[in-house]
Amino acid sequence: GDSVTQMEGPVTLSEEAFLTINCTYTATGYPSLFWYVQYPGEGLQLLLKATKADDKGSNKGFEATYRKETTSFHLEKGSVQVSDSAVYFCALSDLMNYGGSQGNLIFGKGTKLSVKP
Amino acid sequence: AAGVIQSPRHLIKEKRETATLKCYPIPRHDTVYWYQQGPGQDPQFLISFYEKMQSDKGSIPDRFSAQQFSDYHSELNMSSLELGDSALYFCASGGAGEAYYGYTFGSGTRLTVV
Repeated sequence: GDSVTQMEGPVTLSEEAFLTINCTYTATGYPSLFWYVQYPGEGLQLLLKATKADDKGSNKGFEATYRKETTSFHLEKGSVQVSDSAVYFCALSDLMNYGGSQGNLIFGKGTKLSVKP
Repeated sequence: AAGVIQSPRHLIKEKRETATLKCYPIPRHDTVYWYQQGPGQDPQFLISFYEKMQSDKGSIPDRFSAQQFSDYHSELNMSSLELGDSALYFCASGGAGEAYYGYTFGSGTRLTVV
């Protein structure tokens, strides 16, 4: 079945450092890819998305490019802030996941990011 | 803009008791998904509904049941609660296209079983 693998955390960075959180996926169909963010004590918020190969999702300075050839969707930000401290989840939704769950989100295990001033 | 509403926000129950969690989707959304997130864990898909019918089932225990009502809100019923059921329970709602464009999650219900 479909799956998402993301780098394990925690990741600790200084303010203004460059961030990369790796995410790779396995899918039987043509999934949409997402990054969700969960701030302490809060629910999941959609950070950015990409629905087809070579699409770039971007939001709040974060970017991720849908790479079909490497089945990856790595999250990047050029200069992190303390307020970016959160847990980041990579996820996919595959409407063609025959034999599995179609349409629901499959999450990676999350990467906790801590940004120090 | 209206969001996904979950109630209650916090719930404390004793072992072997029953709990009911509610989810009110965004207006005109016809799909509801339920997820369970244990401490320090990624969200796990439990069950989903489309147009008031169960559309998919994940790792939902037999002790749990859920349904979607005529007004599209959904309830997750949990019986014979166990300590391991302590978790954050999210619901997400979707309409046409959300599988591609991203679901909206509620703030969750934190269930503590003591």
